[in-house]
Amino acid sequence: SQTIHQWPATLVQPVGSPLSLECTVEGTSNPNLYWYRQAAGRGLQLLFYSVGIGQISSEVPQNLSASRPQDRQFILSSKKLLLSDSGFYLCAWRWAGMAKNIQYFGAGTRLSVL
Amino acid sequence: LAKTTQPISMDSYEGQEVNITCSHNNIATNDYITWYQQFPSQGPRFIIQGYKTKVTNEVASLFIPADRKSSTLSLPRVSLSDTAVYYCLVGDRLVFGAGTILRVKS
Repeated sequence: SQTIHQWPATLVQPVGSPLSLECTVEGTSNPNLYWYRQAAGRGLQLLFYSVGIGQISSEVPQNLSASRPQDRQFILSSKKLLLSDSGFYLCAWRWAGMAKNIQYFGAGTRLSVL
Repeated sequence: LAKTTQPISMDSYEGQEVNITCSHNNIATNDYITWYQQFPSQGPRFIIQGYKTKVTNEVASLFIPADRKSSTLSLPRVSLSDTAVYYCLVGDRLVFGAGTILRVKS
């Protein structure tokens, strides 16, 4: 079966510090991978998606970047965090090439930038 | 691309059936309709997906009329643990709007 791991669960970082959130998927090959951010009481905002190693598409210009160094690893980074980067970050995966759009989400990382 | 519209919130009581309707007037011929459930501080979880008529699984039923311009998620006999946000997505769009906040009361 497939599982998705996302860590850490919570993170408190000072403004201006770097960020690295990691997401890994097990039990599948060549998945599509996604990073979302969710503000309190709001819907999910798609930040980045990847259809393969080294292939990153950005949906929203921002202070963040993403990388996919391995097939089942997706990393969200920032060189200098802003207060506005606070939020709930979710990683998700989907079977590549499937017409049915079903995504499977990780447990999320609650980021507080102070 | 099909845009979806759902009620912002709904209240219900334990044991009742809850129906959440999503409108998607511009749905494309090949689009599936997918519903997710999200509890606080968790990622969304896939509930059910359908293309037309009716789909049922162990969690919910999904009713889709012939014109496919709307869909209704039906949760039978809800419990307090069904309190969550429910999202309707259409096609390949990766857009989770505000969803519908369902509050189940005792």
